[in-house]
Amino acid sequence: DGGITQSPKYLFRKEGQNVTLSCEQNLNHDAMYWYRQDPGQGLRLIYYSQIVNDFQKGDIAEGYSVSREKKESFPLTVTSAQKNPTAFYLCASSILVSSGRVNEQFFGPGTRLTVL
Amino acid sequence: GENVEQHPSTLSVQEGDSAVIKCTYSDSASNYFPWYKQELGKRPQLIIDIRSNVGEKKDQRIAVTLNKTAKHFSLHITETQPEDSAVYFCAASEAQHGDYKLSFGAGTTVTVRA
Repeated sequence: DGGITQSPKYLFRKEGQNVTLSCEQNLNHDAMYWYRQDPGQGLRLIYYSQIVNDFQKGDIAEGYSVSREKKESFPLTVTSAQKNPTAFYLCASSILVSSGRVNEQFFGPGTRLTVL
Repeated sequence: GENVEQHPSTLSVQEGDSAVIKCTYSDSASNYFPWYKQELGKRPQLIIDIRSNVGEKKDQRIAVTLNKTAKHFSLHITETQPEDSAVYFCAASEAQHGDYKLSFGAGTTVTVRA
């Protein structure tokens, strides 16, 4: 299961605090994604990036921010503006081969964030 | 954007029986349909995928069928085993305007009874 890592595995946050979740990949993948997973709701896209120094909002970007300063790294910050941040957060990456062709996404092990 | 619906939300089968999970999608331009399996506490992992230029794909006990006209695709697991117990997610691609992303269904929790 190597190639894409997330840290920490568990994270506890007090209300009003910002926290940053780490995601690193050594697969030389172009694209990276952040998802939020809640029971019964599948995987919802927060942000994604297809190239360094560029990223796009997903379906539930409010209260989150990202950066993509290096190809292998895509950290996610959960800000105090996120009203219900307790969830399981998954990072994924994929290779971009050619126009119009979506490819397999490889997932990291996830970070479980709990707001106290 | 793409909307993917997945049914059923839970599925209990006797070991050795077959399991079928169905998904529908809304965007006729979607052309890639993967299925992921997520065991408890683990990351999702791809088990099979299909592209819109084929109607069926098999890999041992797992098969996926695609009906582009009706915009639905299904996962079939035959001869189920206890290790097939997991949450299964379908997804459909959105590769429009240079954006390469997936929309996921809500998931199906499969329990294989011994």
